[in-house]
Amino acid sequence: QKEVEQNSGPLSVPEGAIASLNCTYSDRGSQSFFWYRQYSGKSPELIMFIYSNGDKEDGRFTAQLNKASQYVSLLIRDSQPSDSATYLCAASTGTASKLTFGTGTRLQVTL
Amino acid sequence: EAQVTQNPRYLITVTGKKLTVTCSQNMNHEYMSWYRQDPGLGLRQIYYSMNVEVTDKGDVPEGYKVSRKEKRNFPLILESPSPNQTSLYFCASSLAPGSIEAFFGQGTRLTVV
Repeated sequence: QKEVEQNSGPLSVPEGAIASLNCTYSDRGSQSFFWYRQYSGKSPELIMFIYSNGDKEDGRFTAQLNKASQYVSLLIRDSQPSDSATYLCAASTGTASKLTFGTGTRLQVTL
Repeated sequence: EAQVTQNPRYLITVTGKKLTVTCSQNMNHEYMSWYRQDPGLGLRQIYYSMNVEVTDKGDVPEGYKVSRKEKRNFPLILESPSPNQTSLYFCASSLAPGSIEAFFGQGTRLTVV
């Protein structure tokens, strides 16, 4: 079983809609969670991080964390074609020396 | 400009020919790491370094070596590359493990024939 799991997609949403990306993790010791965006052929770029249960909003992005259910989600409101990319979920424990990444979900925002 | 610089960006080499991929950061970060990215497998950590002269294995260290003689540099060494090391490699740095300030280099696409 992979430690961080994501649906590979592609997830297709129309422009202006809400895109919902989900991630589950198996290590209950995980404390910090990150969402990276990666355009094709480019390096990952951190867009959101969350440590506490609940929601965290930053512009059009909202990260949600539910530690009891061991899932993390990313909502993108008013999706734009420029949001089309692969979104990587990552987790780390408090004292861990690494981030464990999921395989990513490819998002396509259609006109 | 804060950045992590990897070189080369693209490399084609032959099996068994030693190579080094360089990584340098200008942010005085203590923590650096190397990842490889393969289709369907995501990003997997190869090695990491908590500080100068402190390195440790990640999830897939076999066939790789690293060194951290200076804070800014963290080269990845493949002493005898094999075709299964064909991959996209990323170097990353941050203030601390799991820090929100995580910066990735541009990537190095390596092909071993």
